[in-house]
Amino acid sequence: GAGVSQSPSNKVTEKGKDVELRCDPISGHTALYWYRQSLGQGLEFLIYFQGNSAPDKSGLPSDRFSAERTGGSVSTLTIQRTQQEDSAVYLCASSLGTQETQYFGPGTRLLVL
Amino acid sequence: GENVEQHPSTLSVQEGDSAVIKCTYSDSASNYFPWYKQELGKRPQLIIDIRSNVGEKKDQRIAVTLNKTAKHFSLHITETQPEDSAVYFCAASKAPGPRRSGGGADGLTFGKGTHLIIQP
Repeated sequence: GAGVSQSPSNKVTEKGKDVELRCDPISGHTALYWYRQSLGQGLEFLIYFQGNSAPDKSGLPSDRFSAERTGGSVSTLTIQRTQQEDSAVYLCASSLGTQETQYFGPGTRLLVL
Repeated sequence: GENVEQHPSTLSVQEGDSAVIKCTYSDSASNYFPWYKQELGKRPQLIIDIRSNVGEKKDQRIAVTLNKTAKHFSLHITETQPEDSAVYFCAASKAPGPRRSGGGADGLTFGKGTHLIIQP
């Protein structure tokens, strides 16, 4: 079946602009995770959803970052007033439940000029 | 919070030889340890995982061992092939396991990755 999808695949923006990244999890997966991967680095956990609620927001780097999930499916990660250090690949993952294997999407490559 | 250390950062082995990547974790409550393989420009893909109720798990040429007392786990790849070349990430989390009161599960804490190079 279809895997996790993300859009856009690439995003170039100017410093100070807001961006919105989208994640479509695997159908039926109730848990959804956002991670960030900087060039040549590991993956940094940002936020996790179980259904529409986010019990763990501990990884969000600053209050410029927010995320929401509606209908227990699609999630959007919003970065306000982007900074150059926000440039990275933003990866979304979903799992059948909170305690199952996470499957990753292809990521959104964000470049802040 | 959890901290995962991964070594080595780069590993070069001859085709056909074995490769071993090691990780340590800090949170004794962590009970789920997946390994992901990421090829250049692609998404991470799960290759094997282990839960804290077992000490070893094997899937064809890949095996993972877990030492809960020492808080370390390792990935072993035998008879390496060119297509094994990639970056490998270990990770740890408190899931899966019995649902804790309050629900929820932590996101995965990843190591910084090992670039595995298979020399022909």
